[in-house]
Amino acid sequence: KQEVTQIPAALSVPEGENLVLNCSFTDSAIYNLQWFRQDPGKGLTSLLLIQSSQREQTSGRLNASLDKSSGRSTLYIAASQPGDSATYLCAVRRGHQAGTALIFGKGTTLSVSS
Amino acid sequence: EAQVTQNPRYLITVTGKKLTVTCSQNMNHEYMSWYRQDPGLGLRQIYYSMNVEVTDKGDVPEGYKVSRKEKRNFPLILESPSPNQTSLYFCASSLLSVDEQYFGPGTRLTVT
Repeated sequence: KQEVTQIPAALSVPEGENLVLNCSFTDSAIYNLQWFRQDPGKGLTSLLLIQSSQREQTSGRLNASLDKSSGRSTLYIAASQPGDSATYLCAVRRGHQAGTALIFGKGTTLSVSS
Repeated sequence: EAQVTQNPRYLITVTGKKLTVTCSQNMNHEYMSWYRQDPGLGLRQIYYSMNVEVTDKGDVPEGYKVSRKEKRNFPLILESPSPNQTSLYFCASSLLSVDEQYFGPGTRLTVT
């Protein structure tokens, strides 16, 4: 059974710091991995999608890497800002079979202070 | 604007009173799904739909029904809600099932 773990559960940093959020999964047979951001009382916003054949994806100050063989992904946030404060979720898709659900981690809640 | 919308956003109801949460997307996506989010349990898939008239159970389907009569709409139906269905519900869509998922703003449901 696929399990997704995110460590740490919470993280506080001062503005301007570079930081790394970690995501690990138990079954390396994934189709892709997606990082989301969730703001309090709001829905999930997709940040990056990495296919299983890719090593990393970049969008602005965000860089996500994937090491499928070791079951790990990291989300790197450069020059953090107070507006980055949110809960970050990673989710893996188990396989390419029709309808396979995203399996989510429980998230890392990030607080960036000014 | 490309988006997934849900209504209502907040709902308080009583045990046994049938309710429907609507979900609509304007991106011509084939795949739609419903998730619930609970503290300590994270997000779990309830039902999904590969296309019009094609629906199937996710990981936690008990107590829920869905329908997909039109491509853009995917309502979630609770025929007889119970307190253990108190949760935050999200609808999601994507072009195909393996593509990037887009989520709605969520519906917070309380069943007393």
